[in-house]
Amino acid sequence: NAGVTQTPKFRILKIGQSMTLQCTQDMNHNYMYWYRQDPGMGLKLIYYSVGAGITDKGEVPNGYNVSRSTTEDFPLRLELAAPSQTSVYFCASSPSGGSDTVGTEAFFGQGTRLTVV
Amino acid sequence: GDSVTQMEGPVTLSEEAFLTINCTYTATGYPSLFWYVQYPGEGLQLLLKATKADDKGSNKGFEATYRKETTSFHLEKGSVQVSDSAVYFCALRVPARQLTFGSGTQLTVLP
Repeated sequence: NAGVTQTPKFRILKIGQSMTLQCTQDMNHNYMYWYRQDPGMGLKLIYYSVGAGITDKGEVPNGYNVSRSTTEDFPLRLELAAPSQTSVYFCASSPSGGSDTVGTEAFFGQGTRLTVV
Repeated sequence: GDSVTQMEGPVTLSEEAFLTINCTYTATGYPSLFWYVQYPGEGLQLLLKATKADDKGSNKGFEATYRKETTSFHLEKGSVQVSDSAVYFCALRVPARQLTFGSGTQLTVLP
């Protein structure tokens, strides 16, 4: 059971370059999330999705885009990389929020460490 | 909106010391409460959870009790080990809404 898989694990980008962080889950979860974690800091929500075709902004969406064409995949796109986007990025998923999923936790990927130079 | 306020860190303890990390929450609804742990270089993993008032979650010697009257979910362990060194996150989720995390508390346990 793979759970949540993120690729790549590490990446160095030059300022102005673009890239896509991939995230796939095999648990048929409706909810998916992208967080960033800056050094010594907590998690900040970038974007989230409650199902295929539906996405919404989180706390820090500027400079990022997402899409959700399937239940399994939730890629995060950086169009013009900036040094402020140097961070560790985590993808997570959880079941939808009906009463049968009370107490069900989110599952996290291992993270992508991105450095913009 | 929903929010989680977590004890600021970092926290440094000697091995076998008692640990408490405070967590309080605000939610419009009846949330489930979680503690996640992040070991160095890894992603977050669930440590324990509680879904209703007075429930006690426990795992690996850690405990936390869902206190509705004080809107709290404090994490405790009676005797910490060096291997417990990690970042601990308190979180909540109201059904049909997204997870909300606290800012995290860095714990370092010295031998």
